[in-house]
Amino acid sequence: GAVVSQHPSWVICKSGTSVKIECRSLDFQATTMFWYRQFPKQSLMLMATSNEGSKATYEQGVEKDKFLINHASLTLSTLTVTSAHPEDSSFYICSASPRSSGSYEQYFGPGTRLTVT
Amino acid sequence: EDKVVQSPLSLVVHEGDTVTLNCSYEVTNFRSLLWYKQEKKAPTFLFMLTSSGIEKKSGRLSSILDKKELFSILNITATQTGDSAVYLCAVGTGTASKLTFGTGTRLQVTL
Repeated sequence: GAVVSQHPSWVICKSGTSVKIECRSLDFQATTMFWYRQFPKQSLMLMATSNEGSKATYEQGVEKDKFLINHASLTLSTLTVTSAHPEDSSFYICSASPRSSGSYEQYFGPGTRLTVT
Repeated sequence: EDKVVQSPLSLVVHEGDTVTLNCSYEVTNFRSLLWYKQEKKAPTFLFMLTSSGIEKKSGRLSSILDKKELFSILNITATQTGDSAVYLCAVGTGTASKLTFGTGTRLQVTL
């Protein structure tokens, strides 16, 4: 149980284009999903907290107009990187917190590697 | 600012050895501490600790939390090459289920 999927697993795009990444909880409902980015050999940095039916909460220094988050249902959140630039190249990971857990347990998706050329 | 520090940053051991990984934290409104294992892709959940002094165990892995001294350890006994990974410690704070991650400990188990 507690499986989270992400799509695509990797994407290459040209500078200036937008890329959408999907995060789905497959066997549980998630009121809260989280988006992280991870640079090589570094830890996970939280970008934003996504709550179903409401606006995402962004961490300090994360541009909300650049990283658009939509949490349309209890099983799906999307991250859109708008007008991507090479410095946006990174590993993006989502996680989901089970609705019933009432705790801090988060289950991670397999990640999406974004390369902007 | 919340801070989670792991040590050592990296570690190389021989198969069969026992290792202890450390995680210390300075956060406001502590709720829980979690350990994850990250191989090539996303982290996989190992343990969640909320109470001091109660050991959690899963096979060769065990972990314990000390809320007075603000740290946790993750023990791996009889290490195997499959234990090679980055081990991440994260602390949950506040009411928003938010996790703050440490930098991780990179463990390499050699034959």
